Amino acid sequence: DIQMTQSPASLSASLGETVTIECLASEDIYSNLAWYQQKPGKSPQLLIYYANSLNDGVPSRFSGSGSGTQYSLKINSLQSEDVSIYFCQQNYDSPRTFGGGTKLELK
Amino acid sequence: EVQLQQSGPEVGRPGSSVKISCKASGYTFTDYVMNWVKQSPGQGLEWIGWIDPEYGSTDYAEKFKKKATLTADTSSNTAYIQLSSLTSEDTATYFCARGMNSGYGDYWGQGVMVTVSS
Repeated sequence: DIQMTQSPASLSASLGETVTIECLASEDIYSNLAWYQQKPGKSPQLLIYYANSLNDGVPSRFSGSGSGTQYSLKINSLQSEDVSIYFCQQNYDSPRTFGGGTKLELK
Repeated sequence: EVQLQQSGPEVGRPGSSVKISCKASGYTFTDYVMNWVKQSPGQGLEWIGWIDPEYGSTDYAEKFKKKATLTADTSSNTAYIQLSSLTSEDTATYFCARGMNSGYGDYWGQGVMVTVSS
């Protein structure tokens, strides 16, 4: 199975700040990576697919980048509604493994 | 509008089975695979598997091959997951998620809480 290692596990940032979350795959996943946002008590929501494609309706302050085994999610100008847990998932091979999640809080 | 409406919370006795439904609307059911994802209390996400409703073909994570059975009824646009031989480890929320392209979950159901308790 492809292992997905997310960092950091938790993150505290101020409103307006730029934050970056990383995801490291145990092997090359050829940009087959998604980022999801999950708010407390809610279902995950797709933010980014194919590493850097913004899903419909997702604010442009979210962006994804990376290739090979290393990927990142960047949130520009952090808003209060961005407080959530963020997960990466590889869609290259079965099983479609998720990262452990990053809990983003406001400082 | 794409919607995935899942059935209500379940309580199962240890050793029993439960079956959860996910009714799709707002799109052609057979055009997309349906993923199933497990989230244990306070934990991360685990991909269980997916089913292609058009062909009935399935793919499971090894860990869930003896635990979960995925089916789909194209006449009612409903996907199902049956969980068997329940143990406390199966207490979790189970989500269905429509899979676009190579499986990205672009629409998710609201989740079903399954509690295993005697």
